[in-house]
Amino acid sequence: GDQVEQSPSALSLHEGTGSALRCNFTTTMRAVQWFRKNSRGSLINLFYLASGTKENGRLKSAFDSKERYSTLHIRDAQLEDSGTYFCAADASNNRIFFGDGTQLVVKP
Amino acid sequence: DPKIIQKPKYLVAVTGSEKILICEQYLGHNAMYWYRQSAKKPLEFMFSYSYQKLMDNQTASSRFQPQSSKKNHLDLQITALKPDDSATYFCASSQDYGGRYEQYFGPGTRLTVL
Repeated sequence: GDQVEQSPSALSLHEGTGSALRCNFTTTMRAVQWFRKNSRGSLINLFYLASGTKENGRLKSAFDSKERYSTLHIRDAQLEDSGTYFCAADASNNRIFFGDGTQLVVKP
Repeated sequence: DPKIIQKPKYLVAVTGSEKILICEQYLGHNAMYWYRQSAKKPLEFMFSYSYQKLMDNQTASSRFQPQSSKKNHLDLQITALKPDDSATYFCASSQDYGGRYEQYFGPGTRLTVL
C-alpha cells in the first residue's frame, strides 16, 4: 500500500540461514503487527508492537515509530517458515495499512 | 479449538448472485473486522465494527454489507457478485476497537466468482 513500503517482495533462504524483512512507513504509525500467510491461506499473528523489540523463538521484530520503520528478523530458517509475510501498521486515524507482503521460500 | 470461525472455507458463485460469508469469534472481543485479499493486490481493510456498530467503511461498493446479529458475529453479505470480487476474505477481531489492539484473524473464506 501507499502508506507502507515492504521489502523485499520475495526472499529465498536455505535452511539454517537468516535474513530480515523491513517495512518503511510514510507517516508516523502507532503500532505495527506482523503476520504470516501460510500455504492454506490462513493469516497467523506473529508480533504486535507499539514500540521496541519482541522476540519469539527464531523470530525477532523491532518497531521504531520515530524513524518510521519496522523489521522482522528470521534466524535458522526452517522449511515451515515458508509463506508470505505481511506487516500492518496502525495510523493515528485507527486505519490499518498493510504492506504488499514478502514471499519467503525456504529451501533444503 | 479455533477461536475465529469462518464459513464456508471455499465458495464458488456465479456472476450476479448473492452470498453471505459467516464469521464468529469466541475470544470475547468487542471489535470485529473484515479484510479482503485479491490475487494481485495487498491485503485490504474493508470494515470495522465495535459493539455491533459500524465504525469504519473503506469499501466503496454498497454491494458489500456487514451484518452483526450478535456481538461475536460479523457476517458479510455480498450482492450482485462480480468476477473481480474473487478473493480471500478474512475476518478478524480485537479486544476493543482500533488498530492499537492486536487483531486475531480467522482462516479466511476463498470466494471465486465465475
